[in-house]
Amino acid sequence: GAVVSQHPSWVICKSGTSVKIECRSLDFQATTMFWYRQFPKQSLMLMATSNEGSKATYEQGVEKDKFLINHASLTLSTLTVTSAHPEDSSFYICRVPDRSYGYTFGSGTRLTVV
Amino acid sequence: GENVEQHPSTLSVQEGDSAVIKCTYSDSASNYFPWYKQELGKGPQLIIDIRSNVGEKKDQRIAVTLNKTAKHFSLHITETQPEDSAVYFCAASPGPRGGSYIPTFGRGTSLIVHP
Repeated sequence: GAVVSQHPSWVICKSGTSVKIECRSLDFQATTMFWYRQFPKQSLMLMATSNEGSKATYEQGVEKDKFLINHASLTLSTLTVTSAHPEDSSFYICRVPDRSYGYTFGSGTRLTVV
Repeated sequence: GENVEQHPSTLSVQEGDSAVIKCTYSDSASNYFPWYKQELGKGPQLIIDIRSNVGEKKDQRIAVTLNKTAKHFSLHITETQPEDSAVYFCAASPGPRGGSYIPTFGRGTSLIVHP
């Protein structure tokens, strides 16, 4: 599979501030990456598809203005949680394709908004 | 869209026993079925996958079976060890959407292996 680096692994922020999460594909140039959200003891919910050089495709019910996605290069996608509130606290995970149509998940980012 | 059901939600076994997790899917167009293991605080890791042109695949202690007619697939872990304790997710994915596979995940099974 691909080699994926996701940072930070955890972050605590105050309500109203913004947090940026990075997902890097270290050995594969990815035109698309995916962002998921996972609540405790629940499954993975696809938030959006990050498209290199163009706008992200958001799933129904996901606020585009709150979860800003930028895919400026073939190896980096960022998810910015804007004006974070406690209900945004969650585990955010990116997913990167590899050469054989397999996918590798990042290590995840635990966001806690206080 | 695709709907994936996964059972059981929790599975507790003794070390050395076998564990079986079952999933069903609804979209007959699905042709890729990966299984992921997620340890606490980490991202899911692919442990095995199967494509619709085969009925069974094995990798050491782990095997996956697929019944396309019945639209169900299962994960089998033999000789379980405490380090197998984790949450396991099944997923089903139809053909690529816009060039990418976008799987639908089951709700997960928490496997607990008691020493």
